[in-house]
Amino acid sequence: EPEVTQTPSHQVTQMGQEVILRCVPISNHLYFYWYRQILGQKVEFLVSFYNNEISEKSEIFDDQFSVERPDGSNFTLKIRSTKLEDSAMYFCASGRGGNEQFFGPGTRLTVL
Amino acid sequence: AQSVTQLGSHVSVSEGALVLLRCNYSSSVPPYLFWYVQYPNQGLQLLLKYTSAATLVKGINGFEAEFKKSETSFHLTKPSAHMSDAAEYFCAVSEANGGATNKLIFGTGTLLAVQP
Repeated sequence: EPEVTQTPSHQVTQMGQEVILRCVPISNHLYFYWYRQILGQKVEFLVSFYNNEISEKSEIFDDQFSVERPDGSNFTLKIRSTKLEDSAMYFCASGRGGNEQFFGPGTRLTVL
Repeated sequence: AQSVTQLGSHVSVSEGALVLLRCNYSSSVPPYLFWYVQYPNQGLQLLLKYTSAATLVKGINGFEAEFKKSETSFHLTKPSAHMSDAAEYFCAVSEANGGATNKLIFGTGTLLAVQP
């Protein structure tokens, strides 16, 4: 059964460094999402992406964040200058529309 | 704005007992409703979804949920808990408007413990 994959599973970085989190959505899906979950808190929407552009972003998704679908299969989340409070589990999700979203296993980002 | 409230951040049941995890939603438009399960150190797995068809929805692992518009509720139940059901459960809502976003708004989660 096709599934969403994410790499790396765990990323450790120094404050101020750039990180890129990678996701491979399910191949026939058209809608792509990033969510994050700070330890012990609920899952929060960051951004949705459709037709090669951002369709909605939350207030969390500020100028330090960007998303890209560089090659038709990968979907990346870049954080330009990481802060301590960016430490979280980041989930990628994809869907065909119709609201059902399939989640990847997540990337745990630790900012030191 | 949409929101989800999950009453009870921790629920403990005995193996074989009824599981009831509560979820209430707020939405100004017809909602789509979901329950996801998260096992330790894993991602989110869809248990079941309500998308305006039958109000009683059956999902995987013996779970089901009933959409009650009058109560704005979508509680998750399972008749008999198993040790493997121990996990965190998240209720989520999305707008049923066919919009391109379809973002999910999650509740704070309920950690289910199953005692032997």
